[in-house]
Amino acid sequence: AQSVTQLDSQVPVFEEAPVELRCNYSSSVSVYLFWYVQYPNQGLQLLLKYLSGSTLVKGINGFEAEFNKSQTSFHLRKPSVHISDTAEYFCAVCLQGAQKLVFGQGTRLTINP
Amino acid sequence: KAGVTQTPRYLIKTRGQQVTLSCSPISGHRSVSWYQQTPGQGLQFLFEYFSETQRNKGNFPGRFSGRQFSNSRSEMNVSTLELGDSALYLCASNYGTSGNEQFFGPGTRLTVL
Repeated sequence: AQSVTQLDSQVPVFEEAPVELRCNYSSSVSVYLFWYVQYPNQGLQLLLKYLSGSTLVKGINGFEAEFNKSQTSFHLRKPSVHISDTAEYFCAVCLQGAQKLVFGQGTRLTINP
Repeated sequence: KAGVTQTPRYLIKTRGQQVTLSCSPISGHRSVSWYQQTPGQGLQFLFEYFSETQRNKGNFPGRFSGRQFSNSRSEMNVSTLELGDSALYLCASNYGTSGNEQFFGPGTRLTVL
């Protein structure tokens, strides 16, 4: 079975500061990795995904993530955050060949002016 | 291209009743997945349908069921509602290939009194 651990439930940062949201996963077989964002009263929107190839993945809104197989991590980063990045962020894995997403508990990112 | 739509957006029911939620996927998408989101358990996979067949099922009791129609629209049904069924129910669609982005609807907020 697969599992995902998001190490921080809440991350407060100041506007224009860099941020890193941490994600570790556990799986005995190969998986695909995703980061989704959820704004208040909305569904989830894909930020980026890792299927194979380059371990540094760039996504929308200036976010990027690095896949580290040895540490089973997929941390999300942004060099300079904006007020509009205030949202909940979910890391997820998907078994290759399947559709089922297994999500972490989420990290609430709060941007202070 | 219209996004994933879910109806109704809000629903209030009492214990013991049953409820049916509807999801219309993006045109051309043949896979529809359902997720339950609660503050305590987070995002949990319910089931996935592809071409009218259930391909995968999560660990939910038999009170939770679903179906998919020939036009890919999907419904999920919860019978004998319990207080713990109060949640945001999200559906997601894609073409059905593992690793493809899943597009989420805004969800149906179910409150059980």
